[in-house]
Amino acid sequence: AQSVTQPDIHITVSEGASLELRCNYSYGATPYLFWYVQSPGQGLQLLLKYFSGDTLVQGIKGFEAEFKRSQSSFNLRKPSVHWSDAAEYFCAVGADYKLSFGAGTTVTVRA
Amino acid sequence: NAGVTQTPKFRVLKTGQSMTLLCAQDMNHEYMYWYRQDPGMGLRLIHYSVGEGTTAKGEVPDGYNVSRLKKQNFLLGLESAAPSQTSVYFCASRGGLAGNTGELFFGEGSRLTVL
Repeated sequence: AQSVTQPDIHITVSEGASLELRCNYSYGATPYLFWYVQSPGQGLQLLLKYFSGDTLVQGIKGFEAEFKRSQSSFNLRKPSVHWSDAAEYFCAVGADYKLSFGAGTTVTVRA
Repeated sequence: NAGVTQTPKFRVLKTGQSMTLLCAQDMNHEYMYWYRQDPGMGLRLIHYSVGEGTTAKGEVPDGYNVSRLKKQNFLLGLESAAPSQTSVYFCASRGGLAGNTGELFFGEGSRLTVL
C-alpha cells in the first residue's frame, strides 16, 4: 500500500521569502504524485501533479515541485511567497484508483 | 458550474442517531470518493466507488456505509453516530479515463459534530 509523509507540521515564512515543503512517499511501482492546497473553510485545489516525464513540474500560483526517485521525494517550492499563500498543503500519491494523502503542512506567512 | 456539491454543509447529531451525506457531481465522472479530515491526520479515505453500482472500502470504513445507485450521486451513511465520527467530510470525484493520473475534484466539505 502507498503512503505519504510530510515531515513538517507547520512552517512560518516571511512574505517575499522562498518556501519549500517536504514530501516523502512509499510505493513500490511508479508513483503518481500530487500537491493540493486548502484555504481555511474550503475544499482542496490541485496545485500540480507528476506522473511521468520531466521531473520538475510547474503548477499554478507560481509553485513547482521536483520528483526525486532516489530519495522518494516530491518537494514543493515557491521562490517568493505572497500573503495569500497562507494555507494548508497536502501531498498525495495515487495508485489503484485511490489517492492517499499526507497529514499536511500548515503555512503561515508573516508580513 | 456546480462541480461537486455536498449536502448538508453542517450537521449536529446526538450519539446513536443516523444520517446521510449526499454528494452530487455534474461532470459525468466515473470515480467518487468520501474522505474524512481530522486535525493532524490529513485526509483519510472512507469508501470509494469506481462506477455506478460499485463501492469499495478505504482506510477507515468502519461505522459508515455508502451507495452509488446513480452515477452522479454518492451517499455516505452513518447508521449509529459516535463522537469519534465528529469530523469534516469531503467528497471528491475523478474522470475514469484519467485513471490514476487524474485530478480529484473536491466538494466544499460537510462539518459533522456528534454529541
